[in-house]
Amino acid sequence: GESVGLHLPTLSVQEGDNSIINCAYSNSASDYFIWYKQESGKGPQFIIDIRSNMDKRQGQRVTVLLNKTVKHLSLQIAATQPGDSAVYFCAEILGGSQGNLIFGKGTKLSVKP
Amino acid sequence: AAGVIQSPRHLIKEKRETATLKCYPIPRHDTVYWYQQGPGQDPQFLISFYEKMQSDKGSIPDRFSAQQFSDYHSELNMSSLELGDSALYFCASSLAGPYEQYFGPGTRLTVT
Repeated sequence: GESVGLHLPTLSVQEGDNSIINCAYSNSASDYFIWYKQESGKGPQFIIDIRSNMDKRQGQRVTVLLNKTVKHLSLQIAATQPGDSAVYFCAEILGGSQGNLIFGKGTKLSVKP
Repeated sequence: AAGVIQSPRHLIKEKRETATLKCYPIPRHDTVYWYQQGPGQDPQFLISFYEKMQSDKGSIPDRFSAQQFSDYHSELNMSSLELGDSALYFCASSLAGPYEQYFGPGTRLTVT
């Protein structure tokens, strides 16, 4: 769903299930995309990145999928754990820019034990 | 491994006062970014520096200024503070180019 003001979209999953967090990015000129995890009161923490010449990249328990046709990014977390509970942001970097991140609206992931 | 250091972690100021936030990047990182994050909001880019020169500017108010020093640390100076400046301010550092940015723990600024 859409986030408005203080109301972040929330995804609630059971421990051990897989999670999928989606993000629509804004600019077709973006050529680098990153997923960040942010725990309460902390700075964003890098999870995984992907360049625009790829459509899939896998890390440890995480996979990022990029669909440039519809400007959509997703983060898949396998076997979600309570420690994965946080707000997740996608971010894009415009090609030719100095690297500043343009963040999307966050999604709050809540993992039920 | 060394991380990005920010100081102070918490700061309380009154309206119309000034504030200075400091950022110490990861050693050998030459690029510093500043972001502002309001409650429940996504971080918004303010300004960045590469090799001590301003490299890009985002939605930074004219009341704010920043610089990067010879030791690569950066300071964000905020004057004539307003209630709406209350937010988390993050500094991130990276190597030049669209590489992974490492964020500091942030400074929570409260303007009363």
